[in-house]
Amino acid sequence: NAGVTQTPKFQVLKTGQSMTLQCAQDMNHEYMSWYRQDPGMGLRLIHYSVGAGITDQGEVPNGYNVSRSTTEDFPLRLLSAAPSQTSVYFCASRLDRVAFFGQGTRLTVV
Amino acid sequence: GDSVTQMEGPVTLSEEAFLTINCTYTATGYPSLFWYVQYPGEGLQLLLKATKADDKGSNKGFEATYRKETTSFHLEKGSVQVSDSAVYFCALSSSGGSYIPTFGRGTSLIVHP
Repeated sequence: NAGVTQTPKFQVLKTGQSMTLQCAQDMNHEYMSWYRQDPGMGLRLIHYSVGAGITDQGEVPNGYNVSRSTTEDFPLRLLSAAPSQTSVYFCASRLDRVAFFGQGTRLTVV
Repeated sequence: GDSVTQMEGPVTLSEEAFLTINCTYTATGYPSLFWYVQYPGEGLQLLLKATKADDKGSNKGFEATYRKETTSFHLEKGSVQVSDSAVYFCALSSSGGSYIPTFGRGTSLIVHP
């Protein structure tokens, strides 16, 4: 079972560049979310979605956009990357209160 | 709002030692409680859960009991192995938080041979 798949695993961006982190799940879960993980900060919620066409902001949404056109996909867009966005990003889906995580994308902005 | 507080690490133990990682929570309503584990270079995965007071979750030798009176969900293992080295996250999900998981900051466990 694939579960939650994130691509790419690693990415280096220059300040001001844009990119999209991809997330796909094959479990038909309605709820999906994006977190960033920084040392000493734990997991912080960026954006989440409770179903196709519905998204909402989490704790740290600034600098990130999301859309949810299908149940399976939930991409995260960085419009103009900043060094403060250097982090490890995790996508997760949820069913019956249990979260299922992808392997993460390690992003470095120089 | 909902919050989870867990002990800071790293916790360093020798193989076969007893493990306790403390976790306390604040939540509205009746939350479900979870422990997730993150091995190096991987995402979080569910280790165990408990959905109501006095429930005990268990998996892979780890246990945690939902204590409503002390709002705690401490993780324990009687004899740790080197392969248990990882970061452990306590989490909750409640109706007051729209069931969006709330995570603690994580506790790193290092087990030496």
